Amino acid sequence: NAGVTQTPKFQVLKTGQSMTLQCAQDMNHEYMSWYRQDPGMGLRLIHYSVGAGITDQGEVPNGYNVSRSTTEDFPLRLLSAAPSQTSVYFCASSFAGGNSEQFFGPGTRLTVL
Amino acid sequence: TQLLEQSPQFLSIQEGENLTVYCNSSSVFSSLQWYRQEPGEGPVLLVTVVTGGEVKKLKRLTFQFGDARKDSSLHITAAQPGDTGLYLCAGVQTSGSRLTFGEGTQLTVNP
Repeated sequence: NAGVTQTPKFQVLKTGQSMTLQCAQDMNHEYMSWYRQDPGMGLRLIHYSVGAGITDQGEVPNGYNVSRSTTEDFPLRLLSAAPSQTSVYFCASSFAGGNSEQFFGPGTRLTVL
Repeated sequence: TQLLEQSPQFLSIQEGENLTVYCNSSSVFSSLQWYRQEPGEGPVLLVTVVTGGEVKKLKRLTFQFGDARKDSSLHITAAQPGDTGLYLCAGVQTSGSRLTFGEGTQLTVNP
């Protein structure tokens, strides 16, 4: 099992550009989430999904879109990148919500100039 | 203001020393988790505590959930350089369903 995979590992964008961060898991988990990690702020939830076709907003959803067409994939789209979106992005999956163990991908380090 | 506040934010100690990291809140949690994150990687779950007063041990790591389920601590005995990393607590409030993370404690153990 590959677990949770994320691509790309690093990305540099100019302000206003759009891009999609890819996330896939092969554990047949229903729950998937996107977090951003900034220094001194821990992990903040952007969007999450409780199953294919179902998504919802987390703590910091503005400027991001998600979709969940399959159980395996949960891409995160930046519509018009801003310097404030410079961060490390982590995708996670879990068997269930609540206090189920979260399995994290290796992260994508994004810089917006 | 963070729902879960961790202290200290940074800790640098020598190999062999003991240390305690704290995770505090004014809210009640149905469970708390501790994760460890190494540079360039995602967090990995260490333990989940669900009962007030619960103590769990993982080799040299001891985790405790407060009696009122508002706080937790992580104690490491005889720290080793391999313990270096970012330690994150995360919890689910009794009034909610989503996992909330603290800001983390960056631990460095020097040989």
